[in-house]
Amino acid sequence: VQLVQSGAEVKKPGSWVKVSCKVSGGSFRSDTFNWVRQAPGQGLECMGRIIPILDIADYPQKFQGRVTITADKATTTAYMELSGLKSEDTAVYYCAKSSGYGMDVWGQGTTVIVAS
Amino acid sequence: DIQMTQSPSTLSVSVGDRVTISCRASQSISSWLAWYQQKPGKAPKLLIYQASSLESGVPSRFSGSGSGTEFALTISSLQPEDFATYYCQQYTADSPWTFGQGTKVEIK
Repeated sequence: VQLVQSGAEVKKPGSWVKVSCKVSGGSFRSDTFNWVRQAPGQGLECMGRIIPILDIADYPQKFQGRVTITADKATTTAYMELSGLKSEDTAVYYCAKSSGYGMDVWGQGTTVIVAS
Repeated sequence: DIQMTQSPSTLSVSVGDRVTISCRASQSISSWLAWYQQKPGKAPKLLIYQASSLESGVPSRFSGSGSGTEFALTISSLQPEDFATYYCQQYTADSPWTFGQGTKVEIK
C-alpha cells in the first residue's frame, strides 16, 4: 500500500486548503484513512478519520465545523479540507491508513503555510 | 475526547540503557493503543499495536504492555538508531482518535 499526498501549499489567513491522498493497493473501501498534523516543533494531532465504505467521517471536538474529510472510491483518493485558516494551522499534514490496529502506512506529508 | 498523557516529556539516556515510557488514558481504552517512533523530518512509524503486539519488521527490543488506562513502551537495550520521539495513540471505535504529547529520547 502506498499513500501519495499533494504538494505544498501557501495560503492566506481566512482562506481554505484541500489536501489529497492518493491510495494505491490495499482495501481502500474498508480501511480507515486518518489525517494527522504536526505544527513546527510540536507533537502529532489527529484531525479526523473516514471509512470509505461507510462514508462516515469522525472528528475531534477541536476540529468539528472546520475540517471536512471525504473519500472518492472511484479514484481511491482521500481528501482533507480545512477552512478559516489561521497562522497556527501552519503545519505538516499527513494522511495515514489504519486497518483496525494503529496507523500502519503513512503519506509523505504536505506542508501548509498560512501567512499574509 | 479521550486525553492521552505521556511521561516523561524528555529522557536523557545512553546506548545500552533500558528505557520505559508511560502513557495514561483519561478513560479505559481496553487495549486499543499504539506506539509510534518519529525521527526529524520523517513520518511516524508504527511500532506496537493492540498495546503489546509488535508490528512486522520492528526489532524485538521494543515491547508494549498495559491495558485499561495505564500503558508502557519499553526498549530493552537502547541502540543509536532509537534516539527519536515516541508517541502513544488510542484508537477506540466510538471516540475520535488522539495522541499523547510525545516523549523525546535524547543522548545523555
